[in-house]
Amino acid sequence: GEDVEQSLFLSVREGDSSVINCTYTDSSSTYLYWYKQEPGAGLQLLTYIFSNMDMKQDQRLTVLLNKKDKHLSLRIADTQTGDSAIYFCAESRMDSSYKLIFGSGTRLLVRP
Amino acid sequence: KAGVTQTPRYLIKTRGQQVTLSCSPISGHRSVSWYQQTPGQGLQFLFEYFSETQRNKGNFPGRFSGRQFSNSRSEMNVSTLELGDSALYLCASSLDRVPDTQYFGPGTRLTVL
Repeated sequence: GEDVEQSLFLSVREGDSSVINCTYTDSSSTYLYWYKQEPGAGLQLLTYIFSNMDMKQDQRLTVLLNKKDKHLSLRIADTQTGDSAIYFCAESRMDSSYKLIFGSGTRLLVRP
Repeated sequence: KAGVTQTPRYLIKTRGQQVTLSCSPISGHRSVSWYQQTPGQGLQFLFEYFSETQRNKGNFPGRFSGRQFSNSRSEMNVSTLELGDSALYLCASSLDRVPDTQYFGPGTRLTVL
């Protein structure tokens, strides 16, 4: 199937770390992405990882990839109220002509 | 460098009408993809254009169509609008064909009454 799955909601306290999880469908996925969507806005690309990598770090963001379990996670260090948004993971697969297949999104709420 | 721009940002139409949405990619980007976002179905791929040719199409009825111009700008058209077409339509551009990284515009919010 084409389902990319994410938990729907995460609430954290400001200053804590947030971990958003995603499971994808196909170990042949070429690219895996994290996008952020704020209310009324489009999708902002946060980071991406190639499927031959295990980890990628970019400032406060760390992406971990477990190919065996088809599990992708996004860790946000020192979470701020401005990080409150919906986070989408997406995969891009050769057998789907590389179109982006999105999860349903995780709503992150950062409490002051 | 300017980002992806979409016009109009908001649109209200009635059932049976048709609508045209426009997308200008990031300068130098040659691929444009369109996605529909609804609360029920989430984000779904509509089509991808590269070098004025449709390269890939999602599972949408023929009422949804698009095109790309020589300057890489793209339009999508929805004919005979239905209530269920109410959605946020997002355009994404990439330098080359996917899987090159896609950058999204702010979207056009279409409401069908």
